[in-house]
Amino acid sequence: GAGVSQSPRYKVAKRGQDVALRCDPISGHVSLFWYQQALGQGPEFLTYFQNEAQLDKSGLPSDRFFAERPEGSVSTLKIQRTQQEDSAVYLCASSLVGTGQETQYFGPGTRLLVL
Amino acid sequence: QKEVEQNSGPLSVPEGAIASLNCTYSDRGSQSFFWYRQYSGKSPELIMSIYSNGDKEDGRFTAQLNKASQYVSLLIRDSQPSDSATYLCAVRSSGSARQLTFGSGTQLTVLP
Repeated sequence: GAGVSQSPRYKVAKRGQDVALRCDPISGHVSLFWYQQALGQGPEFLTYFQNEAQLDKSGLPSDRFFAERPEGSVSTLKIQRTQQEDSAVYLCASSLVGTGQETQYFGPGTRLLVL
Repeated sequence: QKEVEQNSGPLSVPEGAIASLNCTYSDRGSQSFFWYRQYSGKSPELIMSIYSNGDKEDGRFTAQLNKASQYVSLLIRDSQPSDSATYLCAVRSSGSARQLTFGSGTQLTVLP
């Protein structure tokens, strides 16, 4: 596709519910990132994949957060037993693997509201 | 201390003026620096990237990097109301980490 796509665009969950957020990166992009953006803040790193390998998950805030990219393309971020503090915009970004100067292209985000 | 610091603003400039946005970072070994623009309710969009000391110009935008001072800035010339957005400074740190560390953003309003 032309850009990074994410679904759903909006999700309302009751506290304690599990949610799954999907990211389709730009075709051919090997690197995939998940970020969490709270209102009025910059995005904060959650986790990074190179192909299907999760190389860095140091930003995941708790063991309730889990991400996978089993075939090296689409990725899913799963949040178990959602809490109100999980309310945020979840952004996915993809990039070519290169020199580290590669540009990260962001998807439109999933806005999660936990009631 | 946050790793990437920006003045949160809001910053208001009149149409046609120069808007100056500033950013400092703490990791002296950082190599890659990016400015993203984010309209309200939208995702970040890359405006400029800069990797070496000095100035880099692209149309109305100029990024400036001073690694010795750990400082990066974005100048927007001939500001337009459509430039009104939040500008995010992002830094890719040294080492093997590939993720970006973002500042909190500076909200810019260009007044007609």
